Amino acid sequence: DAGVTQSPTHLIKTRGQQVTLRCSPKSGHDTVSWYQQALGQGPQFIFQYYEEEERQRGNFPDRFSGHQFPNYSSELNVNALLLGDSALYLCASSKTEGNEQFFGPGTRLTVL
Amino acid sequence: AQSVSQHNHHVILSEAASLELGCNYSYGGTVNLFWYVQYPGQHLQLLLKYFSGDPLVKGIKGFEAEFIKSKFSFNLRKPSVQWSDTAEYFCAVISLEYGKLTFGQGTILTVHP
Repeated sequence: DAGVTQSPTHLIKTRGQQVTLRCSPKSGHDTVSWYQQALGQGPQFIFQYYEEEERQRGNFPDRFSGHQFPNYSSELNVNALLLGDSALYLCASSKTEGNEQFFGPGTRLTVL
Repeated sequence: AQSVSQHNHHVILSEAASLELGCNYSYGGTVNLFWYVQYPGQHLQLLLKYFSGDPLVKGIKGFEAEFIKSKFSFNLRKPSVQWSDTAEYFCAVISLEYGKLTFGQGTILTVHP
C-alpha cells in the first residue's frame, strides 16, 4: 500500500516564476492538505481540499492556489515566486477532517 | 485562532535518560492532539494521537503522552531514550471547529550514546 507521494523531490526556480507541485494521497484517503515548512519551523497550514474544493485555508496569499482531481490527487501552484517561498512543501492526506493525517516526503523548493 | 507552543527548541540527553517535551495549545473547544516525529532525512511520522478517552496515550517506540485539559497541555514522555530517538518532534493540534492542523515550532532531540 503506497503512502503519500509527492513530486518533484527538489525544485529550483527564480523569483517571479511559477511552480506546480504534485501529490498523490494514500490509498483510501479523500482529503489532501498542503503545508509549508520553512527551515527551523513547524509546518504551516496552507489549505485543504476535499471533493475537489478548497475547504479550509491558512494565512497564505492568493499567489498560492491548488486543485484536487477526481482521483483525489492534488496540485499546489505558487505564482510570482519570492525568495521567502523557499521551503519544504508537505502534502498530507486523510480520510476525513480531524483525523490522522499521513505526510509525504515533501518537495524542497529553492527560489533564487 | 489556535496556536501551539513547544517549550524547548533543542534538548540534549544521554542514552537511558528520561525525556519530557512540553506542549501547550490555545483553544478552548474540542481538539484532537498529535505528536509527530521527523527522523533525519525522513518524512513526518505519527508518534501518537489523542482523540478522546483515556488521557494517557501510548505510541510507538515506548513514547507516551498525557492530555491535561485544564492545563491545555499534551506533554510527550519516554522513560529511557535511545540514540535512535535523535530526531525533531512536533506537537500538533486540530480543532474540530476550525479543521486546521496547527503545529508547534518543533523540538530537536539529540541523544548521545
